[in-house]
Amino acid sequence: QQQVKQSPQSLIVQKGGIPIINCAYENTAFDYFPWYQQFPGKGPALLIAIRPDVSEKKEGRFTISFNKSAKQFSLHIMDSQPGDSATYFCAASIRGNTPLVFGKGTRLSVIA
Amino acid sequence: GAVVSQHPSWVICKSGTSVKIECRSLDFQATTMFWYRQFPKQSLMLMATSNEGSKATYEQGVEKDKFLINHASLTLSTLTVTSAHPEDSSFYICSASFGLARIEQFFGPGTRLTVL
Repeated sequence: QQQVKQSPQSLIVQKGGIPIINCAYENTAFDYFPWYQQFPGKGPALLIAIRPDVSEKKEGRFTISFNKSAKQFSLHIMDSQPGDSATYFCAASIRGNTPLVFGKGTRLSVIA
Repeated sequence: GAVVSQHPSWVICKSGTSVKIECRSLDFQATTMFWYRQFPKQSLMLMATSNEGSKATYEQGVEKDKFLINHASLTLSTLTVTSAHPEDSSFYICSASFGLARIEQFFGPGTRLTVL
């Protein structure tokens, strides 16, 4: 019930493409869904996050789509660039000081 | 804002020695800090949750006597790996949250521990 399942494990897109990373969860008590970007040897950086009361959130080139009934959420990266090449983690938690439950990560490569 | 630092960024030590890693929230007071470890090409694995002024809560399978966590102030938490062995070599990352006021967690840059 605490798992967050993330797919795909790896993804290669051409520059300008729109990579999509998907996550699914089981615990309906989760009410905070962030996405993190991690470069090799660095800590994860918060990209964008969504709460279950909205179906979509955009910040710059990053968009989260959220489907509460399906218990799924996804990250879309518009006009992807080689600098977006990194590992992306979805996560979920319950409001408050509870730990994040992470997906296994998606290694994205954007080819020029 | 919401910057978290870690020190050191990397450390190499001999087997049997103890290593202390510091996690600081630089521009906010963190009521809760979390410690994770990450093996190459894997996800983050939560080790423990620490609240300022109280004992840390360890995840199942994490030895509390081996990984000592102290959260003495609202801006500093430390993780001490006692009697380190090569299998403890990993990337250790802390995160900090404001608490109930704000839900986001902000991560430090990580500490690479190599035990020879």
